[in-house]
Amino acid sequence: GENVEQHPSTLSVQEGDSAVIKCTYSDSASNYFPWYKQELGKRPQLIIDIRSNVGEKKDQRIAVTLNKTAKHFSLHITETQPEDSAVYFCAAPPDNYGQNFVFGPGTRLSVLP
Amino acid sequence: DTEVTQTPKHLVMGMTNKKSLKCEQHMGHRAMYWYKQKAKKPPELMFVYSYEKLSINESVPSRFSPECPNSSLLNLHLHALQPEDSALYLCASSPSDLLNTEAFFGQGTRLTVV
Repeated sequence: GENVEQHPSTLSVQEGDSAVIKCTYSDSASNYFPWYKQELGKRPQLIIDIRSNVGEKKDQRIAVTLNKTAKHFSLHITETQPEDSAVYFCAAPPDNYGQNFVFGPGTRLSVLP
Repeated sequence: DTEVTQTPKHLVMGMTNKKSLKCEQHMGHRAMYWYKQKAKKPPELMFVYSYEKLSINESVPSRFSPECPNSSLLNLHLHALQPEDSALYLCASSPSDLLNTEAFFGQGTRLTVV
């Protein structure tokens, strides 16, 4: 089955700095790669996703890059703000269809004011 | 309405109790999911319903029994649970399970088994 890993497990940055979280997956058939943000006590929410036909996608301060050959994708957050503090989960489905995502173990991001 | 609503928000139940968790969405989504999330862990998929039929059961113990009465509602019936089943139970929905898309999560039911 799909194995998803994330690094680092915790990350502390100063407000205004950039943060990068890397996700690796094992199943070559995966073609959709979302990132979810979960604030303390709240629901996971999608912040950005990418499909395998593109190498990079950007939405304001957030970007995702994909290296399908190496089977990893990364979340980039620029100009971090305290409200970016949360746990971030990457996910990878084992195939093109279905939502039986395997989530990575999560990265706890703390943005220090 | 772009929300997935779960009730109750909190539930405490004894090991001999029977209770149900409820989930509702009015986005016309045809795939609905139950996830279990333990503290400081990622969500773990339990069940997937596609077009009101159970399509995935991730080897969940029979003390958890899902039900999809219609395309907007998803229930999780609980019976004879163990303390280790205490967790946050998340419901999610997506337009369909025919192509990977965003899953919209409810706020969860925090379940404590005593």
